[in-house]
Amino acid sequence: GAGVSQSPSNKVTEKGKDVELRCDPISGHTALYWYRQSLGQGLEFLIYFQGNSAPDKSGLPSDRFSAERTGGSVSTLTIQRTQQEDSAVYLCASSPGTGQNSPLHFGNGTRLTVT
Amino acid sequence: ILNVEQSPQSLHVQEGDSTNFTCSFPSSNFYALHWYRWETAKSPEALFVMTLNGDEKKKGRISATLNTKEGYSYLYIKGSQPEDSATYLCAFRLPGSARQLTFGSGTQLTVLP
Repeated sequence: GAGVSQSPSNKVTEKGKDVELRCDPISGHTALYWYRQSLGQGLEFLIYFQGNSAPDKSGLPSDRFSAERTGGSVSTLTIQRTQQEDSAVYLCASSPGTGQNSPLHFGNGTRLTVT
Repeated sequence: ILNVEQSPQSLHVQEGDSTNFTCSFPSSNFYALHWYRWETAKSPEALFVMTLNGDEKKKGRISATLNTKEGYSYLYIKGSQPEDSATYLCAFRLPGSARQLTFGSGTQLTVLP
């Protein structure tokens, strides 16, 4: 079956521009996560959606970052006025729920380069 | 802030060697511990989800143990093969509302033929 799909796979943008990253989770998965990995760093939590509940935005690094999830499915992560420190691999993951035994299913990521 | 520590940071072994790495996490308030394998140019893949103290899980040549009282998990690879080369990530989840997984920085394993 189809896995988690992210687009674009690579994005090069100029400092100051806005970018949108898209994530299509596995059908039926109610939980959706965004993480990023900057060079030499571990996976950093950004935001989490679960069903119709209010998202957990506690990991967003600044107000330039926002995300939405429409219809409980596709999610878009938007970065406004990009900065060089935003360069990273942005990973989306989904899971059937937040039960104790639910692993995350990751997409291949979007590699963002801000020049 | 949760600290999830993994060691070593990187590891080179010869094909056929067995190896293991460590994940340390807060020992109070445990919910679940995940292990993922992340190969270059691929997405992270779940290996194990461990929830009970004393859990031992196995998948082929890879196994993991869990000690929630002292806050550590070991991942073992028996008879390493070049295709085992990857970054191995552990991730810790608290109970309750903190539903996100907190990841360690990973152990980068290179298996030399």
